[in-house]
Amino acid sequence: GEDVEQSLFLSVREGDSSVINCTYTDSSSTYLYWYKQEPGAGLQLLTYIFSNMDMKQDQRLTVLLNKKDKHLSLRIADTQTGDSAIYFCAEKGNNDMRFGAGTRLTVKP
Amino acid sequence: DAGVTQSPTHLIKTRGQQVTLRCSPKSGHDTVSWYQQALGQGPQFIFQYYEEEERQRGNFPDRFSGHQFPNYSSELNVNALLLGDSALYLCASSFDRGQSNQPQHFGDGTRLSIL
Repeated sequence: GEDVEQSLFLSVREGDSSVINCTYTDSSSTYLYWYKQEPGAGLQLLTYIFSNMDMKQDQRLTVLLNKKDKHLSLRIADTQTGDSAIYFCAEKGNNDMRFGAGTRLTVKP
Repeated sequence: DAGVTQSPTHLIKTRGQQVTLRCSPKSGHDTVSWYQQALGQGPQFIFQYYEEEERQRGNFPDRFSGHQFPNYSSELNVNALLLGDSALYLCASSFDRGQSNQPQHFGDGTRLSIL
């Protein structure tokens, strides 16, 4: 099973904010990542955060990191129908990346 | 600037056969990793190649093998295919220079179906 845990589904209305949560297990992970996967496609790197930061903002995306609780979140502001996809949280091991099972985000018009 | 490219996009094989999947890394990248993504799950790490050698391996049997060429492209080989090998196989590349700190960029994958 996965070491990284995410809730499986999230549904929001267009224009609302989406918050996707993740817990990871390796406190020595130096980087944590968010990827997006659309149907039939590979993984698109959205953003990543270094473990000595607690927040990173990139346009509509805000990443929050609580290292004490090993909790990572991704907030998408003004969510659009094009944001509908599966979002994966990942932590970096030595060379490998360990992924959660993904959160399926559905955006309703 | 081409991203990570994988071929073929789809492949159908039968049990017991062998398959070779190919990956060209993003321009400027020197490290290639392979992942298996079963339906409804996150990607699972198979192995990583750097400087033409396997640098790290995940929990996959020896039926899974790979190679990296001097131009940094890579192949994934799977022997004695099982039904359970049906999955999306993803290649990811990064520029590590031996330090493993750079984010990995993924291709669109090869969808392998075993009949």
